Amino acid sequence: EIVLTQSPGTLSLSPGERATLSCRASQSVSSSYLAWYQQKPGQAPRLLIYGASSRATGIPDRFSGSGSGTDFTLTISRLEPEDFAVYYCQQYGSSPPEYTFGQGTKLEIK
Amino acid sequence: QVQLVESGGGLVKPGGSLRLSCAASGFTFSDYYMSWIRQAPGKGLEWVSYISSSSSYTNYADSVKGRFTISRDNAKNSLYLQMNSLRAEDTAVYYCARALRARYGMDVWGQGTTVTVSS
Repeated sequence: EIVLTQSPGTLSLSPGERATLSCRASQSVSSSYLAWYQQKPGQAPRLLIYGASSRATGIPDRFSGSGSGTDFTLTISRLEPEDFAVYYCQQYGSSPPEYTFGQGTKLEIK
Repeated sequence: QVQLVESGGGLVKPGGSLRLSCAASGFTFSDYYMSWIRQAPGKGLEWVSYISSSSSYTNYADSVKGRFTISRDNAKNSLYLQMNSLRAEDTAVYYCARALRARYGMDVWGQGTTVTVSS
């Protein structure tokens, strides 16, 4: 079973700053199957990035994803007030089909 | 519009059963793989179960294997989760979500339904 470890647990930044969130896998993950989600309090998660680097429909271009193998990164270039939320990475394994989520990174206003 | 709406949550005693439903609208349900994901109070996301578009493949997290059963009715645009032998640790908000293919991520989620297991 692949374990995804996100860091840091909490990130305190100000609007306008750049945020870099990390997701490390316990073994190599196909980039095709690495996704990032944003969740705000009381809301369902929202897909931001799929295939490690492709933005989902309607996602602003300040969000970008990168990485391969065991190390993946979500970058928010200039934080907007609405970006403060919890972010999760997710991987899909095909044999058997199953998903794994990281434990989340809380992005809070400094 | 594209929508997933969960229902069926509630309060149940340990050892009890509950059936969750997820009604899909605004898209061709039979084209999509579907999953259930849960979130315990104050905790992160946990994938629970998966079903392929034609119900050919299903899988479960180890934490629910043998107790939960996922199914779908493409004619009714509906997804289900039968939950038996419920435990306190199953208390969570349960979300359904769709994926056209695994590589495209889960792009639409429902609003969630709350399951509380307590005596």
